[in-house]
Amino acid sequence: GQQLNQSPQSMFIQEGEDVSMNCTSSSIFNTWLWYKQDPGEGPVLLIALYKAGELTSNGRLTAQFGITRKDSFLNISASIPSDVGIYFCAGRQGAQKLVFGQGTRLTINP
Amino acid sequence: DGGITQSPKYLFRKEGQNVTLSCEQNLNHDAMYWYRQDPGQGLRLIYYSQIVNDFQKGDIAEGYSVSREKKESFPLTVTSAQKNPTAFYLCASSRGDTNTGELFFGEGSRLTVL
Repeated sequence: GQQLNQSPQSMFIQEGEDVSMNCTSSSIFNTWLWYKQDPGEGPVLLIALYKAGELTSNGRLTAQFGITRKDSFLNISASIPSDVGIYFCAGRQGAQKLVFGQGTRLTINP
Repeated sequence: DGGITQSPKYLFRKEGQNVTLSCEQNLNHDAMYWYRQDPGQGLRLIYYSQIVNDFQKGDIAEGYSVSREKKESFPLTVTSAQKNPTAFYLCASSRGDTNTGELFFGEGSRLTVL
């Protein structure tokens, strides 16, 4: 099936640092979604992107839909302890099923 | 409040037993999904249903079965044919509108085979 390459796989940062992660694909997508999963819980939708070049913010989170439609980025500014978790990107082509990246595990040292 | 409810949260099973995981949503969503999550891996699609009384196999359907008799409910049965059933199982739903890909997830069910 389709593959999404999400990187990095894990990050260890200090509280207050900015975070950046991305997803790339060899295929074109028309929807990009970013989710966060806390331990033992289901993923929660953070940001949804529907247009190439779109830049959307949600508080300290900013995500962009790449202009080539083959990638997306998520940035977190001024990280805080509750940002810890696993972040997943997901992409969809038209009416096709969502494809998920393998996740970025974020750990924050206080 | 609207949402997706999965039960049980934790389940232990002996080898050779079938178990059924429940998923109920009151979001009036047409589409429902089951994903499997293993440590350090992304979400893999088991089955999905876009309308009542219809469902499709996902990428890893072998050893699983589902039913969709009601819009609100999409139970997953993990059969004894599933060779490695220990995992975290996530149910999700969406409006089914092809213009949006937003999935809403339940809190998950952790199945452990003893």
